[in-house]
Amino acid sequence: GENVEQHPSTLSVQEGDSAVIKCTYSDSASNYFPWYKQELGKRPQLIIDIRSNVGEKKDQRIAVTLNKTAKHFSLHITETQPEDSAVYFCAARNFNKFYFGSGTKLNVKP
Amino acid sequence: DAGITQSPRYKITETGRQVTLMCHQTWSHSYMFWYRQDLGHGLRLIYYSAAADITDKGEVPDGYVVSRSKTENFPLTLESATRSQTSVYFCASSEPGTANTGEQYFGPGTRLTVT
Repeated sequence: GENVEQHPSTLSVQEGDSAVIKCTYSDSASNYFPWYKQELGKRPQLIIDIRSNVGEKKDQRIAVTLNKTAKHFSLHITETQPEDSAVYFCAARNFNKFYFGSGTKLNVKP
Repeated sequence: DAGITQSPRYKITETGRQVTLMCHQTWSHSYMFWYRQDLGHGLRLIYYSAAADITDKGEVPDGYVVSRSKTENFPLTLESATRSQTSVYFCASSEPGTANTGEQYFGPGTRLTVT
């Protein structure tokens, strides 16, 4: 099956700085890569996603890049705000199944 | 988000007991999923279903049973609960869309404690 690795496990940034979270996957058949934000005690919420035929996607302060050759994808958050503090998960969809990274706890210091 | 619900939201049970967690969605999505979330492991797929009466194992299926007699319901049963099954359980649903890339929607979760 697919294996998704996510780094770093924790990330602390100053408000206004950028944050980058990286994920790698193992199976080239994976074709959809969503990113989720999960606040404490809440359900994961989709914040951005990218399909395998696209290299980059941006939505306001959030962007995702995908390198199919290297099998890695990254989440970029610019101009971070305290409300961005949460746990972020990457995932890969592989033959109907979703495989998740282990999560990154982002702390944005005011 | 109100379209997918889970019950109960919290459950405490004893080792060896059977427990059923319920999941209901109102979107008529084809796919439904059960995950468990443990610290340091992210979300791990237990079982999924592509349609009514079609289910398949995920990464960690041992000790769990599922059924899907109706499109909108996908119950998860722990036949004989163990302490290692203490976790937060999330149900999710999606519609495949083109090339199986449909967005996944999560329920609010069930926090299960096995004593």
